[in-house]
Amino acid sequence: LAKTTQPISMDSYEGQEVNITCSHNNIATNDYITWYQQFPSQGPRFIIQGYKTKVTNEVASLFIPADRKSSTLSLPRVSLSDTAVYYCLVGEGKGYQKVTFGIGTKLQVIP
Amino acid sequence: EPEVTQTPSHQVTQMGQEVILRCVPISNHLYFYWYRQILGQKVEFLVSFYNNEISEKSEIFDDQFSVERPDGSNFTLKIRSTKLEDSAMYFCASSGELTGGNGYTFGSGTRLTVV
Repeated sequence: LAKTTQPISMDSYEGQEVNITCSHNNIATNDYITWYQQFPSQGPRFIIQGYKTKVTNEVASLFIPADRKSSTLSLPRVSLSDTAVYYCLVGEGKGYQKVTFGIGTKLQVIP
Repeated sequence: EPEVTQTPSHQVTQMGQEVILRCVPISNHLYFYWYRQILGQKVEFLVSFYNNEISEKSEIFDDQFSVERPDGSNFTLKIRSTKLEDSAMYFCASSGELTGGNGYTFGSGTRLTVV
């Protein structure tokens, strides 16, 4: 599995856009990039998944450059409720494969 | 939106006792997992289950752990003789053939406290 590197923590004020970048230099051709969100004492929750270029849903956008060695999760206009740990995962996106979580990025949204 | 349901939400048990954590995965999912998270640490993989058998397990999943799908809906994790270090949040997850779109769906967890 491709190893990922992301900042341990980030702070942001309410209403700002937050961009969390993940490095995955050893990403394989068949790998997808998936982001999860975890609130305290809750299970991780899927946010977004992409393979290349840009993916957008109602929660976030995911930007993936052409070389796919990194990706950026963009959260528009964050609120206090977006305070959570965000995990970047890389894998083939097959259901039978376990996911391996790193430490993630702890996002603290400040009023 | 389909959910993975876990019961109980919180379990307190004495060291050496057996506990069974229960999960109801999403009905049309094929793959089932247990993960755990010790307070302040990473989410760790324990075991994956497919077609009524274990497909992969981690070093954590030793002989004191077992999993079972006793009927068509429940998926259980049993810890035979609990230790203090088993205290953690235990998450059940399920997935379909491909994880694109919704990824893995995790339950809200069971907080196990061993005293």
